[in-house]
Amino acid sequence: GNSVTQMEGPVTLSEEAFLTINCTYTATGYPSLFWYVQYPGEGLQLLLKATKADDKGSNKGFEATYRKETTSFHLEKGSVQVSDSAVYFCALRLTGNQFYFGTGTSLTVIP
Amino acid sequence: EAGVAQSPRYKIIEKRQSVAFWCNPISGHATLYWYQQILGQGPKLLIQFQNNGVVDDSQLPKDRFSAERLKGVDSTLKIQPAKLEDSAVYLCASSLSSGAQETQYFGPGTRLLVL
Repeated sequence: GNSVTQMEGPVTLSEEAFLTINCTYTATGYPSLFWYVQYPGEGLQLLLKATKADDKGSNKGFEATYRKETTSFHLEKGSVQVSDSAVYFCALRLTGNQFYFGTGTSLTVIP
Repeated sequence: EAGVAQSPRYKIIEKRQSVAFWCNPISGHATLYWYQQILGQGPKLLIQFQNNGVVDDSQLPKDRFSAERLKGVDSTLKIQPAKLEDSAVYLCASSLSSGAQETQYFGPGTRLLVL
């Protein structure tokens, strides 16, 4: 079946620290991969995406590389800010099929 | 470009009552989704529409949940009767099509509390 596994949180970092949130997936086919972010009290927003192997998605200083050999799509940011505090969801999608979301990783960045 | 609109934003009802949620997708988006997001979990798809037809409703509890998208634009999701475990945020999303590379755009959600 299709599924997404994210590292469990919560994650607490100091401002300017390096962030990695692990995401691995299982899929029957060739999925597109996404990271969504949910700020407190708001809906999900697309952060970045990659549609094929070795693609790198990037946005707002965040990056993730589609690694087919390790079935991973880890989210990274070199220097986090307080405003990055949110819940991050990894997701995959196959053509014509639904999105499969991970359970989310809560990030809190402290000054 | 206007985003996905949902109403109401919050709803509190007692168990066994009924409730309805409304969603207006982004203009031109053929695919519309309803998700249930229970606190501490990722969104779970309830139903997916392509225009006004149902593509996937395999995870919709059909004994109490129903949804429609009669004219291929707006959609309503109804719960009747509600149970305590239905307390969640109900998210509506839309995309241009159902292609794997298409981005889903989410509305702000309706937070439902069943007492």
